[in-house]
Amino acid sequence: KAGVTQTPRYLIKTRGQQVTLSCSPISGHRSVSWYQQTPGQGLQFLFEYFSETQRNKGNFPGRFSGRQFSNSRSEMNVSTLELGDSALYLCASSSAASGGGETQYFGPGTRLLVL
Amino acid sequence: AQKITQTQPGMFVQEKEAVTLDCTYDTSDPSYGLFWYKQPSSGEMIFLIYQGSYDQQNATEGRYSLNFQKARKSANLVISASQLGDSAMYFCAMREVVTGYSTLTFGKGTMLLVSP
Repeated sequence: KAGVTQTPRYLIKTRGQQVTLSCSPISGHRSVSWYQQTPGQGLQFLFEYFSETQRNKGNFPGRFSGRQFSNSRSEMNVSTLELGDSALYLCASSSAASGGGETQYFGPGTRLLVL
Repeated sequence: AQKITQTQPGMFVQEKEAVTLDCTYDTSDPSYGLFWYKQPSSGEMIFLIYQGSYDQQNATEGRYSLNFQKARKSANLVISASQLGDSAMYFCAMREVVTGYSTLTFGKGTMLLVSP
């Protein structure tokens, strides 16, 4: 089975711009989660989608949004980029319907640099 | 309060030796899952091992084992016979089942360096 894929792998943007990141989960996985990783804050949960519905959201401003399509692929969008949005954005997928110990499998990440 | 605590920012070990990476957690949920991930410099998070709160035995996966002490709320990762390729950041993470979500809470990580 192919793993989680994320595109693009690297991005450079300037302040004020917006960016869209894409994630394709492992085939058959319906849950997709997004995390932001920075040296200062570590790994922080952004949001989780399951069957095209956002079912959990982390403590991030409204500039961060996402969606999931019927094929379980997910996108996240950051509008009005700030320097502090520079981070590694990780996408993870799992087969989780609810609860349990289902493992999340991560993609290679998208490194975003905001200048 | 931090839910996942990894007290070792960095660890050094020689090749072929065993190493233990510490992790303590805090939850009032009786049902939870504990995970360890490895993150090489490339950035990808690689799943290593999982322990459920109701599992009677400590989890093992090849050279990785999890020393699960429920009463102490600790879930230490033991890597036997370290290899140079084990040099990476290691993250302990927890999923609390009561939420019904897949959300993982991560610790700050431990950087492991394996020397020849």
